[in-house]
Amino acid sequence: EDQVTQSPEALRLQEGESSSLNCSYTVSGLRGLFWYRQDPGKGPEFLFTLYSAGEEKEKERLKATLTKKESFLHITAPKPEDSATYLCAVQAPGGGADGLTFGKGTHLIIQP
Amino acid sequence: EAQVTQNPRYLITVTGKKLTVTCSQNMNHEYMSWYRQDPGLGLRQIYYSMNVEVTDKGDVPEGYKVSRKEKRNFPLILESPSPNQTSLYFCASSLGQRKGYTFGSGTRLTVV
Repeated sequence: EDQVTQSPEALRLQEGESSSLNCSYTVSGLRGLFWYRQDPGKGPEFLFTLYSAGEEKEKERLKATLTKKESFLHITAPKPEDSATYLCAVQAPGGGADGLTFGKGTHLIIQP
Repeated sequence: EAQVTQNPRYLITVTGKKLTVTCSQNMNHEYMSWYRQDPGLGLRQIYYSMNVEVTDKGDVPEGYKVSRKEKRNFPLILESPSPNQTSLYFCASSLGQRKGYTFGSGTRLTVV
């Protein structure tokens, strides 16, 4: 059973159309939740780490929030260059050797 | 420039022919990992290292070896590659266990 579920799998937006990506998790003892951006054929690029429920972080048009069961990545007035796959990962006991479990990602396309 | 460098970027090899994918980081990070990324399966950890001479198996270690003789280098060794090891491989490093990873650009491996 997946411990980290990202939705939707794919999302197509018009430029300027704000939306949110979801990362829900079922782990206990969360140590951290990470968001990454991945462009085709490249390695994931670190965006944010959230450590506790209620925490928020922002970077340009992106804002990440965290509750006890899920995290949202809000994209405000997106531009075509925001098109990418967005990955979340949770760190908790029972994850990989480093405690990390990655979701399968949301493929975001921003149309001009 | 702070980075994780993997080589080669692309590799096509034959079943059973030993190969090494190199990984080097210039950020003095203690933590390093190897991941493979496959369509529909997401990122899965192969091996993890917390420091020199300290390594731990990830979720999918079978058929792989690693070594960490120096802090900056973390090579991935496939002693007898098989077609099911055809994948996109990423090396990553981080400053701490609860810090985000810096990923390399990836190595696309095809085993025929």
